[in-house]
Amino acid sequence: EPEVTQTPSHQVTQMGQEVILRCVPISNHLYFYWYRQILGQKVEFLVSFYNNEISEKSEIFDDQFSVERPDGSNFTLKIRSTKLEDSAMYFCASKRGGNSPLHFGNGTRLTVT
Amino acid sequence: AQRVTQPEKLLSVFKGAPVELKCNYSYSGSPELFWYVQYSRQRLQLLLRHISRESIKGFTADLNKGETSFHLKKPFAQEEDSAMYYCALSGGNQGGKLIFGQGTELSVKP
Repeated sequence: EPEVTQTPSHQVTQMGQEVILRCVPISNHLYFYWYRQILGQKVEFLVSFYNNEISEKSEIFDDQFSVERPDGSNFTLKIRSTKLEDSAMYFCASKRGGNSPLHFGNGTRLTVT
Repeated sequence: AQRVTQPEKLLSVFKGAPVELKCNYSYSGSPELFWYVQYSRQRLQLLLRHISRESIKGFTADLNKGETSFHLKKPFAQEEDSAMYYCALSGGNQGGKLIFGQGTELSVKP
């Protein structure tokens, strides 16, 4: 069964550094998402992406965040200048569309020191 | 405001006992409700969605619009059911985001 894949599984970075989290959604999916989960808290929506543009974003998704689908297969989340509070598990998800279910990746644990 | 509430952080039962994981929601329109499960060190997986009205791994969930609830139930818990369970809602539009509850950790003891 096809899966959403995310790399790396764990990333450690220093405060102020830029990070790029990578995701390969399922190949025939059209809708792409990033979620995050701070340790001990709920899974929170960050951004949705459809037809090569952001369709919705949350208050968390400020100017420090950006997403890109550079080559038709990868879907990346960039954090320009990381803060300690960006430490979390970041989940990528995708779905075919309409009423199809959302498929999640295994997540990338980001640790900002 | 759109919100999903799972009042129990941890639910511990013995094998063979009935299980009910509670979920209440707040949404102004007609949401679609889901249960996701996350086994240890694995990805979030869709367990149930209310529009399917099916039973997966013995679990069922009924949407109660009057009580704005979508509780997850299983008559006889198994040890392999131990996992984190997340209730979530979507606005139902095609690109709709999911809003998650806090999650309930289910621990089934032998």
